[in-house]
Amino acid sequence: AQTVTQSQPEMSVQEAETVTLSCTYDTSESDYYLFWYKQPPSRQMILVIRQEAYKQQNATENRFSVNFQKAAKSFSLKISDSQLGDAAMYFCAYKQGAQKLVFGQGTRLTINP
Amino acid sequence: ETGVTQTPRHLVMGMTNKKSLKCEQHLGHNAMYWYKQSAKKPLELMFVYNFKEQTENNSVPSRFSPECPNSSHLFLHLHTLQPEDSALYLCASSQAEAGSHTGELFFGEGSRLTVL
Repeated sequence: AQTVTQSQPEMSVQEAETVTLSCTYDTSESDYYLFWYKQPPSRQMILVIRQEAYKQQNATENRFSVNFQKAAKSFSLKISDSQLGDAAMYFCAYKQGAQKLVFGQGTRLTINP
Repeated sequence: ETGVTQTPRHLVMGMTNKKSLKCEQHLGHNAMYWYKQSAKKPLELMFVYNFKEQTENNSVPSRFSPECPNSSHLFLHLHTLQPEDSALYLCASSQAEAGSHTGELFFGEGSRLTVL
């Protein structure tokens, strides 16, 4: 079974600095999707960024970018110019074909003003 | 209203009570999901409905009973729960599940359940 591991239960960063959240996954498949979801306190979980495994180019969405290392099965999220509104739980997730999303345990990100 | 709406936001119940959680989506999606979110554990998928038909029951105890009367509404009926069932219950929706490879789910804010 596929598993997703986020080894950092908590992270903190100074406002305006850059932070990287780690995620590794286990799969024998070659075609799949990876995601980062954000869950702010008492608010809805939303999709931050998506990466297709067949694409070599790392996905980027404004201040959010990923470092996708397929051979290493690593999918880290980089947040540049951190803002107070970035404080949230961040979940890494994996999906292959029609199978369901598999989530990691989450990383709680704190932004220090 | 837009998005996915869950009610109630907070619920406290005794082990002998019967209550229900409600979810409504205004996105025109055809697939709806119930997830359980407990502290320090990954999100646990409970049930999936695709075009009102249940397509997955992830070994959920029978004290949780889902109901999907139409593609826009999803309920989770609760009875004789245990204290370990206390958690945040998240509803989500997506485009038709079958053949969907994008994986993007749209979540509600959740219902925080406490079982005494």
